[in-house]
Amino acid sequence: QSALTQEASVSGTVGQKVTLSCTGNSNNIGSYAVGWYQQISHGAPKTVMFGNSLPSGIPDRFSGSKSGTTASLTISGLQPEDEADYYCSTWDYSVSAVVFGGGTKLTVL
Amino acid sequence: QLQLQESGPGLVKPSETLSLTCTVSGGSISSSNYYWGWIRQPPGKGLEWIGSIYYSGSTYYNPSLKSRVTISVNTSKNQFSLKLSSVTAADTAVYYCARRVACSTTRCYFDYWGQGTLVTVSS
Repeated sequence: QSALTQEASVSGTVGQKVTLSCTGNSNNIGSYAVGWYQQISHGAPKTVMFGNSLPSGIPDRFSGSKSGTTASLTISGLQPEDEADYYCSTWDYSVSAVVFGGGTKLTVL
Repeated sequence: QLQLQESGPGLVKPSETLSLTCTVSGGSISSSNYYWGWIRQPPGKGLEWIGSIYYSGSTYYNPSLKSRVTISVNTSKNQFSLKLSSVTAADTAVYYCARRVACSTTRCYFDYWGQGTLVTVSS
């Protein structure tokens, strides 16, 4: 069981806005920024968001936010190439470890 | 552009030790505020953090793997390595090396990843 909880699957149509969530507790998301990673067809993960900042080269239809112990990744204007598995991660000071969510499979209909 | 490349055997026998090396190019492994880590992904499953090391040698390990894991760094070669002992079939996975920004309230993420290497545990 993962320390961070994500939806197993989310789907949306092209052009739609979708939001993926990542829920933790005060020891992790409540205390640290969250990173989001996109993994297409089991290739190497790619960072698409850190905190609420976009890495270079990531389209601005991706945005991030956090409220308390839940972080969110929103994709506005969903594109076919956004279909992928998405993972969140952060640091957990209670166990001095990086923790990952179980991942969300995003399907673009 | 920073690049990370994993190397090591793709097949390990049960009960033996898995050994992988990550070679960093395009930047120094001795940069402050960055940790160098290993993450794995069993077939069909999610990402699992194994551990991280700072260039000074300070290490952090996944509590569930701590008794079997050793991560070391060689700053002269710009490399860091993973050793996982007493492996079983459950350790079969794609192993990634990655650089992580030191965590804070505003930043905590892996910014560069290797391409990954599949390690199969089988006799």
